[in-house]
Amino acid sequence: QKEVEQNSGPLSVPEGAIASLNCTYSDRGSQSFFWYRQYSGKSPELIMSIYSNGDKEDGRFTAQLNKASQYVSLLIRDSQPSDSATYLCAVNMGGGAQKLVFGQGTRLTINP
Amino acid sequence: DGGITQSPKYLFRKEGQNVTLSCEQNLNHDAMYWYRQDPGQGLRLIYYSQIVNDFQKGDIAEGYSVSREKKESFPLTVTSAQKNPTAFYLCASSMGLAGGGGELFFGEGSRLTVL
Repeated sequence: QKEVEQNSGPLSVPEGAIASLNCTYSDRGSQSFFWYRQYSGKSPELIMSIYSNGDKEDGRFTAQLNKASQYVSLLIRDSQPSDSATYLCAVNMGGGAQKLVFGQGTRLTINP
Repeated sequence: DGGITQSPKYLFRKEGQNVTLSCEQNLNHDAMYWYRQDPGQGLRLIYYSQIVNDFQKGDIAEGYSVSREKKESFPLTVTSAQKNPTAFYLCASSMGLAGGGGELFFGEGSRLTVL
């Protein structure tokens, strides 16, 4: 079983709709969770971090965390073509940033 | 502007050659990292460093070496012992290992191709 698992996609969403990206993780003791966006051929950039159960909103982005179900998700409201990218889920499995484990990423395409 | 600079962006290597990838940061970050990314896969940690003159192996260190002689610099050498070196290499930094637990800043990456 992979430590951090994402549906690799591609996920196609019409412009203006809500894109929902999901991630599950294996280590129940994980404490911090991150979403990175990576455009094709570019490096990842951090867009959301979440540390406690519930929702965290930042503009059009909402991260949701459910530690009991070992599940973290990212919602993108009012999707724009510029949101087309690969989204990487990263989970810190205990300790410093060297314990960060990345999922394989979900490729998202927003169709105009 | 603060950031992380990686060079070269593209590099071609013949089998049996060592190559060194440069990574320089002016963010005054203590911790630096090297990751490898293969198509359709997540990032895998090669080496990391918390402070000058100290570094630790990550999950896939075999065939790689690093040095940390200055806070700003963390070069990675891909040696001929690395069996499958063709990949996208990413350098990253953070305030410290504990800072945020995962809030990394990445350079633009170096794409290495072995001919």
